[in-house]
Amino acid sequence: AQTVTQSQPEMSVQEAETVTLSCTYDTSENNYYLFWYKQPPSRQMILVIRQEAYKQQNATENRFSVNFQKAAKSFSLKISDSQLGDTAMYFCAFYQPGTYKYIFGTGTRLKVLA
Amino acid sequence: NAGVTQTPKFQVLKTGQSMTLQCAQDMNHEYMSWYRQDPGMGLRLIHYSVGAGITDQGEVPNGYNVSRSTTEDFPLRLLSAAPSQTSVYFCASSYSRSLNEQFFGPGTRLTVL
Repeated sequence: AQTVTQSQPEMSVQEAETVTLSCTYDTSENNYYLFWYKQPPSRQMILVIRQEAYKQQNATENRFSVNFQKAAKSFSLKISDSQLGDTAMYFCAFYQPGTYKYIFGTGTRLKVLA
Repeated sequence: NAGVTQTPKFQVLKTGQSMTLQCAQDMNHEYMSWYRQDPGMGLRLIHYSVGAGITDQGEVPNGYNVSRSTTEDFPLRLLSAAPSQTSVYFCASSYSRSLNEQFFGPGTRLTVL
């Protein structure tokens, strides 16, 4: 069975600095998707970025980028120029096509300090 | 588009009571799902549906029932609430063919006393 591990329950970063959130996963499949979701205090789940496993190029979305290491089964999220609005819980998630089941990690609570 | 809507936002129940959490989407999504979020445990899949009339169990289905009579609605029923079902519940939807992005509702915080 697939698993997703986020080993950092809490992190903090100074405003304008860069922070990296870690995620590892376990699967024997070759075709899958990985995601980072953000959950601010409002509780709404927001998709931050996604990565297709067959793509070697790391995904980027503005200040958010990933370091996807397929062989190491690692999928970290880098937030550059951190802003106060980035304060949230961040979840890493895995999806294997055809299973209709997302697997979420336990989350990392990020606090951006002024 | 309203996206994915959930009602109620908050609910308090007594042990043994039943209730239905409502979920609706107006994006014509085939796939809908229910998760529960507990501290330190992330989101866990309760039930999901790939279309009207088709439902299946997720990781933690015990104590919950679902049905999907229309594409738009996917209610979650608690038949006899237990304190262990105290949680935040999220409904999500996506197109089945491109299940690479799920759209989430705002969540329901349920407390069972």
